[in-house]
Amino acid sequence: DSGVTQTPKHLITATGQRVTLRCSPRSGDLSVYWYQQSLDQGLQFLIQYYNGEERAKGNILERFSAQQFPDLHSELNLSSLELGDSALYFCASSVEAGNNSPLHFGNGTRLTVT
Amino acid sequence: AQKVTQAQTEISVVEKEDVTLDCVYETRDTTYYLFWYKQPPSGELVFLIRRNSFDEQNEISGRYSWNFQKSTSSFNFTITASQVVDSAVYFCALSGENDYKLSFGAGTTVTVRA
Repeated sequence: DSGVTQTPKHLITATGQRVTLRCSPRSGDLSVYWYQQSLDQGLQFLIQYYNGEERAKGNILERFSAQQFPDLHSELNLSSLELGDSALYFCASSVEAGNNSPLHFGNGTRLTVT
Repeated sequence: AQKVTQAQTEISVVEKEDVTLDCVYETRDTTYYLFWYKQPPSGELVFLIRRNSFDEQNEISGRYSWNFQKSTSSFNFTITASQVVDSAVYFCALSGENDYKLSFGAGTTVTVRA
């Protein structure tokens, strides 16, 4: 068990809808990352937060947004969903914002858009 | 930009055989970090190892060993005496000195047959 908690485990929704994925980092970790894993794109970095502030942005669509709250949990909001958004979404956390500590991943949220 | 290549898409072995997974990386950074992650059929991403670019010592952890060769930009992973529980997708990843995200390879699917 990595200590990173993601909810829900599975999500099935229709095109055009909006969903929120939630992540609680490991105790003591200040940095949260979101990744998307799809068959065609592999594991892609979306966004990183450190202690409530956005630190780095990857290939995140404008329809997607995220935030990290004062209690350090994070939410990834996906709106105007398309079939191509179906993927496994991972949250990861680390102690620091940089490279001195490895990322520990949650079990992921599997999103299916129908 | 960071790039990781895992040329082997799938490897199938019989239990107790050794299996080596190749990872070749590209980076312009002097300082960088290399990682291996395991993704079993249950879907979670499990951290296995992190190595920084200044530490070229090989590492052994139980049946797992890693061979880091800066001269060939490779960070290969060997599973000795493989077991069915080793069946998973294995990802090699890289992060740069000022790069807070992990760039993942496409992954190698290892199937260990009893």
